[in-house]
Amino acid sequence: DSGVTQTPKHLITATGQRVTLRCSPRSGDLSVYWYQQSLDQGLQFLIQYYNGEERAKGNILERFSAQQFPDLHSELNLSSLELGDSALYFCASSPVQGGIGVGSPLHFGNGTRLTVT
Amino acid sequence: AQSVTQLDSQVPVFEEAPVELRCNYSSSVSVYLFWYVQYPNQGLQLLLKYLSGSTLVKGINGFEAEFNKSQTSFHLRKPSVHISDTAEYFCAVSEIRSNYQLIWGAGTKLIIKP
Repeated sequence: DSGVTQTPKHLITATGQRVTLRCSPRSGDLSVYWYQQSLDQGLQFLIQYYNGEERAKGNILERFSAQQFPDLHSELNLSSLELGDSALYFCASSPVQGGIGVGSPLHFGNGTRLTVT
Repeated sequence: AQSVTQLDSQVPVFEEAPVELRCNYSSSVSVYLFWYVQYPNQGLQLLLKYLSGSTLVKGINGFEAEFNKSQTSFHLRKPSVHISDTAEYFCAVSEIRSNYQLIWGAGTKLIIKP
């Protein structure tokens, strides 16, 4: 058990809809990362937050947004969903600010599988 | 731009045989190197990491990797695989130019044949 909790585990929705994915990081971790994993694109980094502030942005679409709350949990909002947004969305956490820092690994949740129909 | 290449998308191997999963990266500066494993229906977990020092790194579950700076490689090896090693393996690199954000390889699926 990595200590990172993601809800829901599965989500099925229709095109054009909006969904919110939730992540609770490991106790004590201040950084939260969001990743998208799909068969054609592989593992794509979306965005990172550290202690409530956005720290790094990857290949995140404008239709997607995220935030980290004072209790350090994070939410990823996906709107105007398209079929191509179907993927596994992972949250990961680490205690450090700057990317991996000095060797601190990422701890991944088990993901939310999003299916857009 | 930095990149990580995992040369094989799938590696089939018989149980108890040795295996090597290849990873090459493009970078001219000091890097940190990682291997993560993703078991079916799970998130990724750290297998091993290279930060500095000895180029041979030992990880969990009997895996090891060797950092080769001249060949910019970080290949993962195990002398004898088990059916429980069936998973996807990801190589990742971080360096100061990317503010230590991880650059990921595309992954290699290890398929163990009985």
